[in-house]
Amino acid sequence: GAGVSQSPSNKVTEKGKDVELRCDPISGHTALYWYRQSLGQGLEFLIYFQGNSAPDKSGLPSDRFSAERTGGSVSTLTIQRTQQEDSAVYLCASSLKLEGNTIYFGEGSWLTVV
Amino acid sequence: AQSVTQLDSQVPVFEEAPVELRCNYSSSVSVYLFWYVQYPNQGLQLLLKYLSGSTLVKGINGFEAEFNKSQTSFHLRKPSVHISDTAEYFCAVSLIKAAGNKLTFGGGTRVLVKP
Repeated sequence: GAGVSQSPSNKVTEKGKDVELRCDPISGHTALYWYRQSLGQGLEFLIYFQGNSAPDKSGLPSDRFSAERTGGSVSTLTIQRTQQEDSAVYLCASSLKLEGNTIYFGEGSWLTVV
Repeated sequence: AQSVTQLDSQVPVFEEAPVELRCNYSSSVSVYLFWYVQYPNQGLQLLLKYLSGSTLVKGINGFEAEFNKSQTSFHLRKPSVHISDTAEYFCAVSLIKAAGNKLTFGGGTRVLVKP
């Protein structure tokens, strides 16, 4: 597609439930990133994929968070046993591999845990 | 580790007035520098970036930024703002020669343009 596509755009879930957030990067972009944006913490890096592997997952806040990427394209961020502090906007981004390249962001998935 | 500080969390400005958003960074290695804008309920959009060369960088929508290595700053300016410039602006860095283009963001500056 023309840009980074994320779904769902909004998700309300009950505490303790699992959620999956999907990201479809720009075609041809080998690098894919997940960030979290929340009022208290600003923009936080979560994980980076190069192809299907994740050389940097240092930003995942706990073992309840996991992500995978298949076919060098679509990625899914999974949050298990959601907590209220997981409420945030989850932003996906993609870029070409070369350093300094522009990173393009999707519009985000707004997660509310009640 | 690198860090980015945006000194102003909010900047109110009148339409057609100039605006400057301040950004300072800290890093033990060389970095690339970026400014992104986020309009309400939208994702982030790149305004401009500094990779190398001229320290004055021009971006979209009339914005420009100047890289000052000695002061480790990358301030963003626009000589005359419009109502449509109301948004949140983020300064970010990525490490040169690091695997991936991982961005480290500042806390953001909200710009409110008043008529």
